[in-house]
Amino acid sequence: NAGVTQTPKFRILKIGQSMTLQCTQDMNHNYMYWYRQDPGMGLKLIYYSVGAGITDKGEVPNGYNVSRSTTEDFPLRLELAAPSQTSVYFCASERGSSTEAFFGQGTRLTVV
Amino acid sequence: GENVEQHPSTLSVQEGDSAVIKCTYSDSASNYFPWYKQELGKRPQLIIDIRSNVGEKKDQRIAVTLNKTAKHFSLHITETQPEDSAVYFCAASLNFGNEKLTFGTGTRLTIIP
Repeated sequence: NAGVTQTPKFRILKIGQSMTLQCTQDMNHNYMYWYRQDPGMGLKLIYYSVGAGITDKGEVPNGYNVSRSTTEDFPLRLELAAPSQTSVYFCASERGSSTEAFFGQGTRLTVV
Repeated sequence: GENVEQHPSTLSVQEGDSAVIKCTYSDSASNYFPWYKQELGKRPQLIIDIRSNVGEKKDQRIAVTLNKTAKHFSLHITETQPEDSAVYFCAASLNFGNEKLTFGTGTRLTIIP
């Protein structure tokens, strides 16, 4: 198993541009999450999904959108990028609630 | 929803000494409490977890204790080594319905040689 795979690993965006961060897992996990981690800070939940077709907002959803059309994929869309969105983004998945969460390797995004 | 508080935010200990990180949670129905370790520039990874039907769990130099009455749980690292330097996150979740995992704010542990 590849586990949780995120692409790209690094990206520089200009203010106002848009992009999609890709996240794929091959463990048939129902739960998937997107977090952002600012330098020296903790994990802030952006969006999460408990299964295909179901998504819900976390604590910092503004400026982001997600979709979950399949069990495997959980892309994160940034519209109109802003400098405040400069961060490291982690995708994670769990088989179900109260199980181990597996993280992707992260995407380092810089908005200039 | 669940709220998890973690203390301290930073912790420095001499190599060989013990380190303790504490977390409190708000939802008395939470029943799963994992701990994740994040080394510099890497992804968080599970190091130990505990469920609400036990009070303590050990794995070599690390242990987690749970006090359901007080709604707090702690990570204990004994005989600390330089490779223990990392950020540690506690978390809580409820194995019911569609409850999500909730993380604490993290503790940066530095082991002083």
